[in-house]
Amino acid sequence: QKEVEQNSGPLSVPEGAIASLNCTYSDRGSQSFFWYRQYSGKSPELIMSIYSNGDKEDGRFTAQLNKASQYVSLLIRDSQPSDSATYLCAVTYGNKLVFGAGTILRVKS
Amino acid sequence: EAGVAQSPRYKIIEKRQSVAFWCNPISGHATLYWYQQILGQGPKLLIQFQNNGVVDDSQLPKDRFSAERLKGVDSTLKIQPAKLEDSAVYLCASSLVSGDQPQHFGDGTRLSIL
Repeated sequence: QKEVEQNSGPLSVPEGAIASLNCTYSDRGSQSFFWYRQYSGKSPELIMSIYSNGDKEDGRFTAQLNKASQYVSLLIRDSQPSDSATYLCAVTYGNKLVFGAGTILRVKS
Repeated sequence: EAGVAQSPRYKIIEKRQSVAFWCNPISGHATLYWYQQILGQGPKLLIQFQNNGVVDDSQLPKDRFSAERLKGVDSTLKIQPAKLEDSAVYLCASSLVSGDQPQHFGDGTRLSIL
């Protein structure tokens, strides 16, 4: 069974802090990794994709991938109350995208 | 660029009734996906189309769910008859091709079964 594991949270951070979200996956053969943000009552919105080991930065977001440890993370710098949402980690297994259950992030002002 | 279009946004039906959802993907996207998202869970793939062919329907409850993508563009997902456990948000997504390409989601249809 292909799995994607995330801590459900909620993860609470103060405004301006760094939020660190983590995800592990079960299949070493996975090649593509995505982070989606989902506001309550809304659909998932793609915020980051990463395909190779290391870091990928986009504005306040940094995705980190470690294939040897089967671990992918998302860092949000200078967290804002508008970042409060559920963050879904998604991993490809062949042609299929498997989602984790998501981590709830709360940024307190 | 227009996003993925879905309708209706909300639907309330009684158990054992039937319901259908419609999806129009982003123009040029060959791959279309239907997901079911139950409250508190991540989206679960129901069916994946590449153009008008089915790539994966291993998690589609085929005794009650059906889907089609005629002409390789629009798609319809149907549930007949509905059960209480089908209450969920049904999300349609599309991508240029399957596999590595990011998927883009529509607004979803929130289905409530009474």
